[in-house]
Amino acid sequence: QSALTQPASVSGSPGQSITISCTGTSSDVGGYDYVSWYQQHPGKAPKLMIYDVTNRPSGVSHRFSGSKSGNTASLTISGLQAEDEADYYCSSYTGTSTLVFGGGTKLTVL
Amino acid sequence: QVQLQESGPGLVKPSETLSLTCTVSGGSMSSYYWSWIRQPPGKGLEWIGDIYYSGSTDYNPSLKSRVTISVDTSKNQFSLKLSSVTAADTAVYYCARMLYRTSPDYWGQGTLVTVSS
Repeated sequence: QSALTQPASVSGSPGQSITISCTGTSSDVGGYDYVSWYQQHPGKAPKLMIYDVTNRPSGVSHRFSGSKSGNTASLTISGLQAEDEADYYCSSYTGTSTLVFGGGTKLTVL
Repeated sequence: QVQLQESGPGLVKPSETLSLTCTVSGGSMSSYYWSWIRQPPGKGLEWIGDIYYSGSTDYNPSLKSRVTISVDTSKNQFSLKLSSVTAADTAVYYCARMLYRTSPDYWGQGTLVTVSS
């Protein structure tokens, strides 16, 4: 299975909105509504931010939202804050009962 | 609040078997899938495999020939064995609970395993 494709880096200023894309195939992202997003600060374990494309776990800010179109899923962060600076990863459940991650995107808050 | 804690040797010699255990506290293992995920230094996340509380498993095809995941619900633990390790297996290893099998929602803090002679 191949890793999902994410941009290596994105940046934005405080208060702005940014979007991170995650591209797969019809065997993973496009075939199932099982895309998740994780936030990882340096030296910490990843934190689940979005699951099943659009759902936020309890406690996750409403500034984080997810969507999907075809084989590409997206994470949007609105009202960017300094503490949002982190690495972000997407994942998708696949048709062969496996999980595949994206390569990760480094978000810089300018 | 579910908590997970990885334990095991931090240094493994090349060609030997890496063995880690994840202890689950604050909740039952029943009705959940449990995963192992790793992250080489400075790199991205890689799913290793998962196990249902009843014992059925699925593995990453690229690691399948070397991986065994097992569970002991009486001890609230699940374990990872990765055989014939090389330097490429050096990574932080995380254990995680799977939400609806598709999304790791609770993660351990991670443990660094270095493969070196």
